[in-house]
Amino acid sequence: QVQLQESGPGLVKPSGTLSLTCAVSGGSISSSNWWSWVRQPPGKGLEWIGEIYHSGSTNYNPSLKSRVTISVDKSKNQFSLKLSSVTAADTAVYYCASVLLGASGYYMDVWGKGTTVTVSS
Amino acid sequence: QSVLTQPPSASGTPGQRVTISCSGSSSNIGSNTVNWYQQLPGTAPKLLIYSNNQRPSGVPDRFSGSKSGTSASLAISGLQSEDEADYYCAAWDDSFWVFGGGTKLTVL
Repeated sequence: QVQLQESGPGLVKPSGTLSLTCAVSGGSISSSNWWSWVRQPPGKGLEWIGEIYHSGSTNYNPSLKSRVTISVDKSKNQFSLKLSSVTAADTAVYYCASVLLGASGYYMDVWGKGTTVTVSS
Repeated sequence: QSVLTQPPSASGTPGQRVTISCSGSSSNIGSNTVNWYQQLPGTAPKLLIYSNNQRPSGVPDRFSGSKSGTSASLAISGLQSEDEADYYCAAWDDSFWVFGGGTKLTVL
């Protein structure tokens, strides 16, 4: 089964750019899955950030779209998240997840363990 | 304010049946399937129910899901202490995913 592992700096300065990578193992990023990023601020619920297909097609959360870029690197079997102009409100645990198309709908079936990113000077 | 509305908390005693509701609109639950996730303390979310009422391999049949119109429900029967967790519903909404605010289930 596919496994996902997030990596990246745990501390980002305000107004800077948050950059994370999700390594895909046990499967190909060029499969029929979409690949998503989800975050969870401390003590709060889940917020979807965006997703990418191996072709490069993307969908983004309208509330974050102006600051988000998700890209895919097929040679390394990984995908990445960049979030610009960060503030303390972007402090969260960031998860990557695979999005599978089942018989009657899409769902996020596998999640990474998550990585904590703190925005602070 | 989450797009999908869930009660913030629910509770039950061991052996009881508990239901958690998820209310949306025509653009999300009304048009697409609903998925449910269980998040144990300090861990990543885990897929619990997909496509309204399907259980992934390994999920006990104590967990069941249903959908009607623009609302969905998660039912947990034979409640166990290890079911104490946060539960989230999710659905596709036009061109993006939306989640419920989460329901914290306490086993008394």
